[in-house]
Amino acid sequence: EPEVTQTPSHQVTQMGQEVILRCVPISNHLYFYWYRQILGQKVEFLVSFYNNEISEKSEIFDDQFSVERPDGSNFTLKIRSTKLEDSAMYFCAVRGQRGGLAKNIQYFGAGTRLSVL
Amino acid sequence: GESVGLHLPTLSVQEGDNSIINCAYSNSASDYFIWYKQESGKGPQFIIDIRSNMDKRQGQRVTVLLNKTVKHLSLQIAATQPGDSAVYFCAEVGTGNQFYFGTGTSLTVIP
Repeated sequence: EPEVTQTPSHQVTQMGQEVILRCVPISNHLYFYWYRQILGQKVEFLVSFYNNEISEKSEIFDDQFSVERPDGSNFTLKIRSTKLEDSAMYFCAVRGQRGGLAKNIQYFGAGTRLSVL
Repeated sequence: GESVGLHLPTLSVQEGDNSIINCAYSNSASDYFIWYKQESGKGPQFIIDIRSNMDKRQGQRVTVLLNKTVKHLSLQIAATQPGDSAVYFCAEVGTGNQFYFGTGTSLTVIP
């Protein structure tokens, strides 16, 4: 059973529109991550989130992107004014918990495929 | 960010043979590496990890070797099975625990 569930599995949007991708962990997690994978390419780190704050972000994660945990459970990635090149798989990941799963391992969701037309 | 790359983009092996997937990294200060497997339509799944103070680590049917001198990682899969067909990524772990993935090697197991 996956540690996180991502919704929707596929999102189609028009260029210039805003999209929100959601990640729902199945148990309490403290560390969250978003990654992006353009078709046929490697998985790229976007942002890490801890204690309701961004802890690290890559150069890809510009002002177009934002993350939050609006209700203390769901973890969302918002992309404002989507561009064609934003089309990709977006993966949410959580870090393993102490005393259970290994601390440094990240567990990935199945991803959301974003298609910008 | 750090640079992690793979030597071969594709690898085909006969079922039952051993597979070796290679990975080069550039940041000599990295102290933690992980191998992930990605099947079609799924997110990356953890396989095995290794710290920089280790040369070798074994799991179930998998072994990871680390050569810090030449900054090289390899993943060995024993007795490869059709279910092992997937893309395999090595990842270098940054100071904030963010993962920097390589390009990936597509493994195809021929029955």
